[in-house]
Amino acid sequence: KQEVTQIPAALSVPEGENLVLNCSFTDSAIYNLQWFRQDPGKGLTSLLLIQSSQREQTSGRLNASLDKSSGRSTLYIAASQPGDSATYLCAVRPPNTGNQFYFGTGTSLTVIP
Amino acid sequence: DGGITQSPKYLFRKEGQNVTLSCEQNLNHDAMYWYRQDPGQGLRLIYYSQIVNDFQKGDIAEGYSVSREKKESFPLTVTSAQKNPTAFYLCASSILGASPLHFGNGTRLTVT
Repeated sequence: KQEVTQIPAALSVPEGENLVLNCSFTDSAIYNLQWFRQDPGKGLTSLLLIQSSQREQTSGRLNASLDKSSGRSTLYIAASQPGDSATYLCAVRPPNTGNQFYFGTGTSLTVIP
Repeated sequence: DGGITQSPKYLFRKEGQNVTLSCEQNLNHDAMYWYRQDPGQGLRLIYYSQIVNDFQKGDIAEGYSVSREKKESFPLTVTSAQKNPTAFYLCASSILGASPLHFGNGTRLTVT
């Protein structure tokens, strides 16, 4: 069964710093990988989706990369802002699992003004 | 605006009562999912459905039931058989295939 790990569990950085969040998965056979943001008490908001054939995706200050062979993805946030404070989760979608997604436990990010 | 609506936002029930959480989507997505989220744990899949009148158990289906009578609706019933029902419940949907997952805003269920 696919297992997804996110380290660190929590991260605190000063405003303006560039940062990297990590996501690792045990089985490299995936359809895609998705990064989400979750604010306290809210649902998940999709940030970026990387298909298995892609190496990276960008949206504004966010850049996500995917290295299937090593089972890793990173989410790069440039020039962090206090509004970026949230929990960031990654999820992978393996083939032949009936459309299921497997989630990591998330990284809680605090950006200090 | 297209999206997923979960209701209610907060739900309180006494132990031993069944309770039904609502999930409606107007995205015309084929697949719908129910996840449970507990502090310090990742999202765990309860049930999912890829087509009307069909659904499959996820990793933690015991004590839960679902129905999919309409494409846009996927209600979840938490039965009295669920030993620890207090949690945050999230509904999601997607197009079949390698497409992104979309979430509702969740229902926080408290059972005392």
